[in-house]
Amino acid sequence: SQKIEQNSEALNIQEGKTATLTCNYTNYSPAYLQWYRQDPGRGPVFLLLIRENEKEKRKERLKVTFDTTLKQSLFHITASQPADSATYLCALDATDKLIFGTGTRLQVFP
Amino acid sequence: DTAVSQTPKYLVTQMGNDKSIKCEQNLGHDTMYWYKQDSKKFLKIMFSYNNKELIINETVPNRFSPKSPDKAHLNLHINSLELGDSAVYFCASSQEGESYNEQFFGPGTRLTVL
Repeated sequence: SQKIEQNSEALNIQEGKTATLTCNYTNYSPAYLQWYRQDPGRGPVFLLLIRENEKEKRKERLKVTFDTTLKQSLFHITASQPADSATYLCALDATDKLIFGTGTRLQVFP
Repeated sequence: DTAVSQTPKYLVTQMGNDKSIKCEQNLGHDTMYWYKQDSKKFLKIMFSYNNKELIINETVPNRFSPKSPDKAHLNLHINSLELGDSAVYFCASSQEGESYNEQFFGPGTRLTVL
């Protein structure tokens, strides 16, 4: 069956470190993968999109990789800050819609 | 300016009632969506409309009926509410219906059915 899994329910890291979140999928062949940030009580906000023929995409302190062989995307936040604390969702392209992962809650403590 | 707005923000109602949630986007997008986010934070698509036409209709009970009076509005009407309908409902929009387009989400409507 099709499945999208994001690593652990919560990830706690110290300010200044690099946070790495994973998104693994099975039985999908997405042409695109998106990452969103969701704060409590708010709707998701788009962060980055990466295409299947792109290995890596960067935006400021964010970096996303996409490995179609491993069926995995990694989302990195370098020099993390307490303001980065939120839930991060990956979303796969499934032809005409996005399928969202379960999300990883990131907590950055001072 | 709010890009995607939803009303109401909170909705508390009794089982068996009928309720509506309204959504408006001022981004000029062609495609709008309704998502349901359950208590485990799993976000699942319910419907999508492109230029007032229904494009996606996931396995959703027919008690849920979306209506798009124009491409800037997508409302969700729910009949005979059940306890299991309690969730946060998000409206979203995108430039087109292609999955490479980023989606812009509204603030959500927290529906509680008692």
